Amino acid sequence: GAVVSQHPSRVICKSGTSVKIECRSLDFQATTMFWYRQFPKKSLMLMATSNEGSKATYEQGVEKDKFLINHASLTLSTLTVTSAHPEDSSFYICSAEVNTEAFFGQGTRLTVV
Amino acid sequence: DQQVKQNSPSLSVQEGRISILNCDYTNSMFDYFLWYKKYPAEGPTFLISISSIKDKNEDGRFTVFLNKSAKHLSLHIVPSQPGDSAVYFCAAKSTGGSQGNLIFGKGTKLSVKP
Repeated sequence: GAVVSQHPSRVICKSGTSVKIECRSLDFQATTMFWYRQFPKKSLMLMATSNEGSKATYEQGVEKDKFLINHASLTLSTLTVTSAHPEDSSFYICSAEVNTEAFFGQGTRLTVV
Repeated sequence: DQQVKQNSPSLSVQEGRISILNCDYTNSMFDYFLWYKKYPAEGPTFLISISSIKDKNEDGRFTVFLNKSAKHLSLHIVPSQPGDSAVYFCAAKSTGGSQGNLIFGKGTKLSVKP
């Protein structure tokens, strides 16, 4: 199946700093990518839909100025958590779809200290 | 309002027996359903899917059943193996119109005991 690579797999940062997470489609082009966040004991929650060459579409309750999404090419979408706080600590996952099947990145464990 | 519900947060099964994971949905626009398996600190991996035009799809030890009138689907794993121990997410989407995003259930943690 298609491969989605997400980097880094884990990152620890200080409160107030920014962290960038990359999501790449390795063997296909993705005009749309999705960013999810997993809360403890809860489901994967869609944060935003990343559209190549245009602005991302954010879900209700997700701060677009805090979670900056850039989809500059057909194979790369980035999520930048700006001015990170401990409550932003979570597991972030990206995905891209081929036909109707979603392929997920490996996920990024973000810990803000 | 949860559109996809997995009411059992956990399930324990003996190795060799059948595991049945259940999922209910409320949105009648959903017409494509998927099951994902997830290990801790990893992204979900696709297991099996079913379109609303079918009521059963089988792939090896995994079978998904869809009951549209009841808005219910289930994943059967038989025989269950210890390596199947993971969290299983049910997901649904509407394929009509523009590319839709997946709506996930909260997951069911399956433990298969040797």
